[in-house]
Amino acid sequence: DTGVSQDPRHKITKRGQNVTFRCDPISEHNRLYWYRQTLGQGPEFLTYFQNEAQLEKSRLLSDRFSAERPKGSFSTLEIQRTEQGDSAMYLCASSAGQGAGANVLTFGAGSRLTVL
Amino acid sequence: GENVEQHPSTLSVQEGDSAVIKCTYSDSASNYFPWYKQELGKRPQLIIDIRSNVGEKKDQRIAVTLNKTAKHFSLHITETQPEDSAVYFCAASLGTASKLTFGTGTRLQVTL
Repeated sequence: DTGVSQDPRHKITKRGQNVTFRCDPISEHNRLYWYRQTLGQGPEFLTYFQNEAQLEKSRLLSDRFSAERPKGSFSTLEIQRTEQGDSAMYLCASSAGQGAGANVLTFGAGSRLTVL
Repeated sequence: GENVEQHPSTLSVQEGDSAVIKCTYSDSASNYFPWYKQELGKRPQLIIDIRSNVGEKKDQRIAVTLNKTAKHFSLHITETQPEDSAVYFCAASLGTASKLTFGTGTRLQVTL
């Protein structure tokens, strides 16, 4: 386990379909974050977990978005009834949550969503 | 919530010159300020960070300065090289929550 893994790397879907992304964090990290990045912009915070608890959700996260981290390890981000505005790169990151590296986020390569 | 502004949006320098990117933040309670480098099609990668109890930090050709009173921090890259070409993002976070708020990015191009 050398980094944060995300799957799939690319997803093309039709408007109205549901999609799910998976993130496997660095194994010893107890914090996991989801960000969304659109072209030419910085990553925007969506939500984060400490272990299995979802501690914060952004106002950007509409009711169509749901994230889980059931066992405090991997996480899933589901988007229901996708809209063209959901097209973006969905980045996952993890951090140790304590100690000297508490705030240091390590990002995955992202899952790029295209909604037609 | 926190708001981070970043300037300039694009920066072109000649190889060997220095590059400076500036950010301001709105929440005086923010205490952690990382800088990420993102190459085209790749993940953001941490290059340097600074905490609010430190005014300056240096790592080889890269340095970051923080002015808490003015609520701004800057990234300095000296002796730029073509491989420094990328988009650079500043960010800020508050306390142990470590939810990062990012700036809009600076596209740095180092020309030969």
